[in-house]
Amino acid sequence: QKEVEQNSGPLSVPEGAIASLNCTYSDRGSQSFFWYRQYSGKSPELIMFIYSNGDKEDGRFTAQLNKASQYVSLLIRDSQPSDSATYLCALKGTSYGKLTFGQGTILTVHP
Amino acid sequence: KAGVTQTPRYLIKTRGQQVTLSCSPISGHRSVSWYQQTPGQGLQFLFEYFSETQRNKGNFPGRFSGRQFSNSRSEMNVSTLELGDSALYLCASSALMNTEAFFGQGTRLTVV
Repeated sequence: QKEVEQNSGPLSVPEGAIASLNCTYSDRGSQSFFWYRQYSGKSPELIMFIYSNGDKEDGRFTAQLNKASQYVSLLIRDSQPSDSATYLCALKGTSYGKLTFGQGTILTVHP
Repeated sequence: KAGVTQTPRYLIKTRGQQVTLSCSPISGHRSVSWYQQTPGQGLQFLFEYFSETQRNKGNFPGRFSGRQFSNSRSEMNVSTLELGDSALYLCASSALMNTEAFFGQGTRLTVV
């Protein structure tokens, strides 16, 4: 079992729709969870982080964490073509500052 | 506040050579970690430094090494380059161990 698994893509949604990205993890000791967006040829950009169970909202983005079920998700409301990118789920556990990444989900928002 | 700065942005090296990459973290951040990104393997952890000490190392051969200076700047070195070392090398800085990490622009290394 992979340490971090993301829902297989690519994911295609129409402009204005809600995009839902999911991620499960195997290490119950994981403490911090992150969503990064990466445009082609660019470096990952942090868009959300969540440390406690529940929802965290920031503008059009909502991160959801459920430690009991070992999943974290990202919702993007009112999706825009500029949201088209690869979304990476990552976590930090007990191994100091190491980030463990999922394989990424490619999101395409079409006009 | 300036972000994470990596230099150089692009490098072309020949097999067998060595290379040194540099990373300047966000001011005040003491944790620096390095990652290799390839299309086939995704983002893989190389090592992490905090206060000049390597605290964690990924599953890479000993040809990959790093260090951190007292001003938190970090360097990574790859010796005896192989074609498979061609990748995007990313540096990330964090204030503390489990807090959010911010990435630099990366160094694109091509080994020919």
